Amino acid sequence: DGGITQSPKYLFRKEGQNVTLSCEQNLNHDAMYWYRQDPGQGLRLIYYSQIVNDFQKGDIAEGYSVSREKKESFPLTVTSAQKNPTAFYLCASSIAGRRNTEAFFGQGTRLTVV
Amino acid sequence: AQRVTQPEKLLSVFKGAPVELKCNYSYSGSPELFWYVQYSRQRLQLLLRHISRESIKGFTADLNKGETSFHLKKPFAQEEDSAMYYCALGWGGATNKLIFGTGTLLAVQP
Repeated sequence: DGGITQSPKYLFRKEGQNVTLSCEQNLNHDAMYWYRQDPGQGLRLIYYSQIVNDFQKGDIAEGYSVSREKKESFPLTVTSAQKNPTAFYLCASSIAGRRNTEAFFGQGTRLTVV
Repeated sequence: AQRVTQPEKLLSVFKGAPVELKCNYSYSGSPELFWYVQYSRQRLQLLLRHISRESIKGFTADLNKGETSFHLKKPFAQEEDSAMYYCALGWGGATNKLIFGTGTLLAVQP
């Protein structure tokens, strides 16, 4: 089954703990993205990467970190510095360097801070 | 600054009625506009993009640069059209970043 896979589907975290969300794709895409989805706010860009070993901050990067050591993988770490981490997180990938390109999304991870 | 506005959180129509989901954008460059759809328990997926000028599942969307709009239309709604619809603006040239609107939930009543 080709595509983009996020794990886990549900994640619970205690306040003060870091947690890492996994995102893997087998679409051979260079570009990968992390979005946060909150009710009534649409999707907001956290981080994006156009190529291995390179990534840039999006609109709401504070309290988050990422790595891009492999083309297929773009894990997101939600740190204890993130003030309001409870949200639905979506990972996406696309072909890089081309306009009007379709983004492919994972099923999402719902993170709840308890 | 780049911005996408979807004024309606919820649009409820009866089966067979026309549908128009509104989307307005703010962008100084040449816009790339998309409609993404999320059906219940499914992942977010592309419905259509303005550059293709295509009709998908009976839906069309025309880019109006004068009104900075990209409204999604369908002449006769079906129950299976019920879903969350997001308008998105691509910017940053080749970086393919997407800015999303807040989404409109379309509910088609039988």
